[in-house]
Amino acid sequence: DTEVTQTPKHLVMGMTNKKSLKCEQHMGHRAMYWYKQKAKKPPELMFVYSYEKLSINESVPSRFSPECPNSSLLNLHLHALQPEDSALYLCASSQVRSRSMNTEAFFGQGTRLTVV
Amino acid sequence: QKEVEQNSGPLSVPEGAIASLNCTYSDRGSQSFFWYRQYSGKSPELIMFIYSNGDKEDGRFTAQLNKASQYVSLLIRDSQPSDSATYLCAVDYGGATNKLIFGTGTLLAVQP
Repeated sequence: DTEVTQTPKHLVMGMTNKKSLKCEQHMGHRAMYWYKQKAKKPPELMFVYSYEKLSINESVPSRFSPECPNSSLLNLHLHALQPEDSALYLCASSQVRSRSMNTEAFFGQGTRLTVV
Repeated sequence: QKEVEQNSGPLSVPEGAIASLNCTYSDRGSQSFFWYRQYSGKSPELIMFIYSNGDKEDGRFTAQLNKASQYVSLLIRDSQPSDSATYLCAVDYGGATNKLIFGTGTLLAVQP
């Protein structure tokens, strides 16, 4: 089973709204990722959690707030977004990299976010 | 220099031909290399990974890695119209972290 589940699949929110994106995996992976993807562009790394701790923040604006409540769940809290934040938000998971561990990352289906 | 570079294409090949997709990366510390396929409007799907120099074959797909040249490629034999998609090269950047960075992707079009 290589399934990563993201909810919701689509989200429309106003610039003053607060919403959350959710991601869940049951593969025993201890690294989880958030990516942002605009049309015809590659996925752009936002955050990485390793062992439920934030290990990488790619200088993402504070209106995006990640949270990893446990080893299976990853959230992305959204507040005061701008229309240019409209994109496909992708969650992925993998093993934490080590000399003996493969690190293939598996993606969820994404949440298509529209900010109006 | 970008961290991971690919020719954006489109790369057009006739059905049944071999499609060759290329990727270069900048960080010599990178140890893990991945190829993802992404259909329009869908999420990336892992199709190959390679960690050691040389070739790795899986069905119609062959990944090739040359760490000295910082080059990784993907060959698709007997290309089918269903292979038409964007192919993304991804690199575990820096070698010591899970910083998975993607190239810009190559759009492949297989002509029936």
